[in-house]
Amino acid sequence: ELKVEQNPLFLSMQEGKNYTIYCNYSTTSDRLYWYRQDPGKSLESLFVLLSNGAVKQEGRLMASLDTKARLSTLHITAAVHDLSATYFCAVDMGWGAQKLVFGQGTRLTINP
Amino acid sequence: DVKVTQSSRYLVKRTGEKVFLECVQDMDHENMFWYRQDPGLGLRLIYFSYDVKMKEKGDIPEGYSVSREKKERFSLILESASTNQTSMYLCASSLRGQLENKPQHFGDGTRLSIL
Repeated sequence: ELKVEQNPLFLSMQEGKNYTIYCNYSTTSDRLYWYRQDPGKSLESLFVLLSNGAVKQEGRLMASLDTKARLSTLHITAAVHDLSATYFCAVDMGWGAQKLVFGQGTRLTINP
Repeated sequence: DVKVTQSSRYLVKRTGEKVFLECVQDMDHENMFWYRQDPGLGLRLIYFSYDVKMKEKGDIPEGYSVSREKKERFSLILESASTNQTSMYLCASSLRGQLENKPQHFGDGTRLSIL
């Protein structure tokens, strides 16, 4: 059974600081997704990571995938208040079948 | 842009009622999914469908069924609602195919309360 664990689950940080959210998963997969959810809103796709060593960047967010370590990271650079949200990673269980297993989510609060 | 529309944002029903949650997507996606979202548990897959009239169980299908009579519409049915089915329900859709590499697109969710 595939398990996906994120840490931390809650993160409060100051604007301008850097931090990393970790996503560990328990079985082999070569496909991982990051989503953002604002309060009361739906999930918005951030990144699709498809292979070992994949790195994607968008603004102050950068995501990477290490399939050998079964680890993905979401790095936040010089955080700004607008990045406050809940972030989810999701792992594809089987070869692009799109049956996803989600992490618990990381609630990120960025204080001015 | 892909639009995934769920019929209700908020719904209140009583224990034992049969409840229908509707989802429609407008981008001709083959795959459709139903999740429930609970605090601290992330999203858990209830059922999904790869094509019309096809359905497969996800991780927590007990107490639920689904219907996909048309490609754009995927319905979640609570056969006899119970209080432990109080949750946020999210519908999603995506293109089929390993090579498409496309994420799932989500609706706004239905917050269902069972009294």
